[in-house]
Amino acid sequence: EIVLTQSPGTLSLSPGERATLACRASQSVSSYHLAWYQQERGQAPRLLIYGASARATGIPDRFTGSGSGTDFTLTISRLEPEDFAVYYCQQYGSSPLSFGGGTRVEIK
Amino acid sequence: EVQLVESGGGLVQPGRSLRLSCAASGFTFDDYAMHWVRQAPGKGLEWVSGINWNSISTGYADSVKGRFTISRDNAKNSLYLEMNSLRAEDTALYYCVKGLGLQYLYYYMDVWGKGTTVTVSS
Repeated sequence: EIVLTQSPGTLSLSPGERATLACRASQSVSSYHLAWYQQERGQAPRLLIYGASARATGIPDRFTGSGSGTDFTLTISRLEPEDFAVYYCQQYGSSPLSFGGGTRVEIK
Repeated sequence: EVQLVESGGGLVQPGRSLRLSCAASGFTFDDYAMHWVRQAPGKGLEWVSGINWNSISTGYADSVKGRFTISRDNAKNSLYLEMNSLRAEDTALYYCVKGLGLQYLYYYMDVWGKGTTVTVSS
C-alpha cells in the first residue's frame, strides 16, 4: 500500500501570497498517477490536478502541479479568498488507492 | 449535467448491515469505473472501494476488505455498497465518485456526489 504524507498540516497565509503544498509517497507513484483535490468547508471535494501536472477543466492557471516518483507539489501562485480550503493528494496507480492526510490553507 | 445522488445512510448498531445506493445520471454509466470514498467527521478522505465498468474487477481498502462489497447495475445506472459487520470506525460521510475511465485503477476521479451519512452506534 502506498502511503501519502502531506506537509505542512496547516498553512497560514494572506490573500495574494504564494502557497506551496507537498505530498510525499512511501514508494514511487507509477506514471504520474497523482491527483490533487480541493475541499471547501461543507462541500464535496473538487478535482484540481491529475497526472501530477494537468489542470482539470475550469481550474485557473494559478494552480500548478509538479513532481514525479515520490515527491509532488501543488503551488497556488497568488491566493484568492476562495482558495482557503483543504487540499488532498491522491494516488490512483496502485491498489488500494490512497489519499494524503490533507493540508489546510487558512487565512493568516 | 452529471449527477450522483447517494442514499441509504442512517444510524445502525455495531455488527449490523447497511446498503448504500448511488443513482447516476447525465453520462453513459457503463463507460466508467465508479468508487466509494468516505470521510469520518473532522477527518480526511479515505478510499473505500472501486469497481470497473463491467464489474469484473473490484478493489477494497484493507479496513473494509471482507466486510464491504461493491456492485453496480448498469441497466439501472446505479452503484451499491453492501456494508456488513459495521463498526464504530465506519461512521462517516460516504461519497459516490465517478472515475474517468473504464478501470478503477489508472484513472482519476472527476465527479463527486454530495454523500450520505452512516453512523454506527448503539
